[in-house]
Amino acid sequence: DVKVTQSSRYLVKRTGEKVFLECVQDMDHENMFWYRQDPGLGLRLIYFSYDVKMKEKGDIPEGYSVSREKKERFSLILESASTNQTSMYLCASSLLMGLINQPQHFGDGTRLSIL
Amino acid sequence: KQEVTQIPAALSVPEGENLVLNCSFTDSAIYNLQWFRQDPGKGLTSLLLIQSSQREQTSGRLNASLDKSSGRSTLYIAASQPGDSATYLCAVKKYTNAGKSTFGDGTTLTVKP
Repeated sequence: DVKVTQSSRYLVKRTGEKVFLECVQDMDHENMFWYRQDPGLGLRLIYFSYDVKMKEKGDIPEGYSVSREKKERFSLILESASTNQTSMYLCASSLLMGLINQPQHFGDGTRLSIL
Repeated sequence: KQEVTQIPAALSVPEGENLVLNCSFTDSAIYNLQWFRQDPGKGLTSLLLIQSSQREQTSGRLNASLDKSSGRSTLYIAASQPGDSATYLCAVKKYTNAGKSTFGDGTTLTVKP
């Protein structure tokens, strides 16, 4: 079974702090994604990566950056946390097999509160 | 811009009933559509993925269909059980590579014993 592990289930930080959310997958997947989920707004893509050191902006990249130095690890960085970044953050990965995208597999999420 | 709509937002049924969840999308040029379930406070669990060339996929009591031309997908759940209670989301992917998935807001299903 695919395992996507997010480093923290719950995290509380203060405004202005630099925050790191880590995600690790154990199935050698090429694609990795970071989403945030908010009531009434659904899941929104922040960034994704289709290879090591490659990244693409999603729909709401402002205030975030990412890092993918190793294939199995995809980090989301809040450069200077603000209260409007309080949310549930979900990491996902998927295998690219030829031209066929395989299912996305999600971690359990990190509920981040910015005070 | 792709928009994905799931109606109804919430559904409550008695145990044992067969039910259908709906997902509609505005841009029919998709590469695949995926159904997920999400339990409260948890991540998403993949249920079924339908490639654009397929019409349906089945897994156990679940059957998902895809009609690209009309921009619709349905998730059929047979003989519902209380353990099926969760939020069900659909997501469509447009590009061949990682690309972007657009998610619906989900249907929250409650199956009453």
